[in-house]
Amino acid sequence: GAVVSQHPSWVICKSGTSVKIECRSLDFQATTMFWYRQFPKQSLMLMATSNEGSKATYEQGVEKDKFLINHASLTLSTLTVTSAHPEDSSFYICSARGATGAVFVAKNIQYFGAGTRLSVL
Amino acid sequence: GENVEQHPSTLSVQEGDSAVIKCTYSDSASNYFPWYKQELGKGPQLIIDIRSNVGEKKDQRIAVTLNKTAKHFSLHITETQPEDSAVYFCAARPEGGGNKLTFGTGTQLKVEL
Repeated sequence: GAVVSQHPSWVICKSGTSVKIECRSLDFQATTMFWYRQFPKQSLMLMATSNEGSKATYEQGVEKDKFLINHASLTLSTLTVTSAHPEDSSFYICSARGATGAVFVAKNIQYFGAGTRLSVL
Repeated sequence: GENVEQHPSTLSVQEGDSAVIKCTYSDSASNYFPWYKQELGKGPQLIIDIRSNVGEKKDQRIAVTLNKTAKHFSLHITETQPEDSAVYFCAARPEGGGNKLTFGTGTQLKVEL
């Protein structure tokens, strides 16, 4: 099936530093990727929609200068948490919307990565 | 915008029994309803989905039903097994919504031996 790779799976950083999370669609092209945040025992909250070659669209209340998103290619989107603070600690999950590529990828279905657990000390 | 409610928040069943999780949505324009299974520390995995032009869909032990009039859809798991234990999320996507999914609040399913 479709594989979305997210890296790293777990990161610990000091307060004030920046952290970059990568999301790759391994066997299909994804013109659109999504970034979610999930607190313990809660649902997924959409942070932003990332479109290849254009600026990301952020959901209301999400600081675009704090959560920088880059979608430079059809298979890679990155989320950078800038000047991280303890309240940014969370589980961040990306998804890629199937567009073209391997035949087993259904169009317009979101395939999720395994998530990145960020802990800011 | 879309609002998705999910019940119950926790569900405990005996192995072999059936489990049913229900969701309601608010936006009548929603036309795509996926269900995701999330195991601890992992990302959600799509297990089944249904589109608004279909009332029911089945895949082995898993089935989903959709009532467009009432704006609710349900996940049915039969012959539950311990490996079905996970958190299940329903979601809805409105037509023209830029493929943005609105998720329910999740159901922690525990299948007991």
